[in-house]
Amino acid sequence: EAQVTQNPRYLITVTGKKLTVTCSQNMNHEYMSWYRQDPGLGLRQIYYSMNVEVTDKGDVPEGYKVSRKEKRNFPLILESPSPNQTSLYFCASSFLNIQYFGAGTRLSVL
Amino acid sequence: GQQLNQSPQSMFIQEGEDVSMNCTSSSIFNTWLWYKQDPGEGPVLLIALYKAGELTSNGRLTAQFGITRKDSFLNISASIPSDVGIYFCAGPYGNKLVFGAGTILRVKS
Repeated sequence: EAQVTQNPRYLITVTGKKLTVTCSQNMNHEYMSWYRQDPGLGLRQIYYSMNVEVTDKGDVPEGYKVSRKEKRNFPLILESPSPNQTSLYFCASSFLNIQYFGAGTRLSVL
Repeated sequence: GQQLNQSPQSMFIQEGEDVSMNCTSSSIFNTWLWYKQDPGEGPVLLIALYKAGELTSNGRLTAQFGITRKDSFLNISASIPSDVGIYFCAGPYGNKLVFGAGTILRVKS
């Protein structure tokens, strides 16, 4: 089954404690991206990757890092999380501009 | 960055009613996409539009690509309780995909 898998689904952490949210896709898509969803703001793109070792900033990249060492994986790294990064995060992979989303990771930073 | 203005922000309608929502932009888009997000899940593509003036249906859903290329519309006919969720318009802008803020749809049965 074609899917985008992100883990964990829920995470509560404290300010400053580094964390990684994993994302994996099995559709052999070249384009992957991360979004955060906040009430009233829709989905805002954090980072995207057009292929292995090619990443670029989206609209809200501050406080986040990504890496793309393999085509299928695109982890999101928060080196020093802060409370304003409490949000719902989605990973997506894309083919011909059609995005396929994971189920989401709800992150709370205390 | 580029923004898509989506309206209305939310709707609370009676089951069986028709629904209309729209999305506008200050820039021209060559593709318009409509997604639906069910509670607790990621957005899922409903309809993709690729040509100005195009009218495309998917069951009870109909979407149109505005002829100015700066807007798009989504209509849902005869709404049912499972239509509840958040509807997003989206479009590619350079290498990015931009989304509207969403229309929250609630259906009263």
